[in-house]
Amino acid sequence: SQQGEEDPQALSIQEGENATMNCSYKTSINNLQWYRQNSGRGLVHLILIRSNEREKHSGRLRVTLDTSKKSSSLLITASRAADTASYFCATNAANSGYSTLTFGKGTMLLVSP
Amino acid sequence: SAVISQKPSRDICQRGTSLTIQCQVDSQVTMMFWYRQQPGQSLTLIATANQGSEATYESGFVIDKFPISRPNLTFSTLTVSNMSPEDSSIYLCSVVPEGVGWNTEAFFGQGTRLTVV
Repeated sequence: SQQGEEDPQALSIQEGENATMNCSYKTSINNLQWYRQNSGRGLVHLILIRSNEREKHSGRLRVTLDTSKKSSSLLITASRAADTASYFCATNAANSGYSTLTFGKGTMLLVSP
Repeated sequence: SAVISQKPSRDICQRGTSLTIQCQVDSQVTMMFWYRQQPGQSLTLIATANQGSEATYESGFVIDKFPISRPNLTFSTLTVSNMSPEDSSIYLCSVVPEGVGWNTEAFFGQGTRLTVV
């Protein structure tokens, strides 16, 4: 099965700065999703981008998808201390069951006041 | 959307014992998913639980170690059997709401943080 890879593994920034996280994957996908996890708790869905989309926005979040490079990026603009969390990309592979997700290793984001 | 209640939120267990984790969903769903998140790691799918049939386990996970029940369309349990310290992880259940096609988000329970001593 494919395994997403995020980079960086950890990111430390100041409030107000932008944070960019990248994700790479290995096989064809139906969609790619980004999730957030606070302190080892449940995951919260942030945004989903379909394989035929190239960019999507949601509030302070901007996600891009490049299927030719099998990569995605998540940009958080004007970060806040409350954005401190782990961020995971997850892919729904094109040949998998429609609900099955494969998660990347995650990026731990620390936003300092 | 879906709201999932997962219990317990955490537990400390003795090696050799078993722990059963419960997930209750506020809507009917055909498939429920169980994940394991080892310390500092990402989520790994353990199995997919369909109501009325045996769960489907991913490579590296077996029914004897992680038996799953799915008695109805809103409830599932995962048991971690004969535990060892290596089973210390966060266990999460997840669902994808029905009838919305391929491109929809998953919803997660709050996780069960298991420590085996």
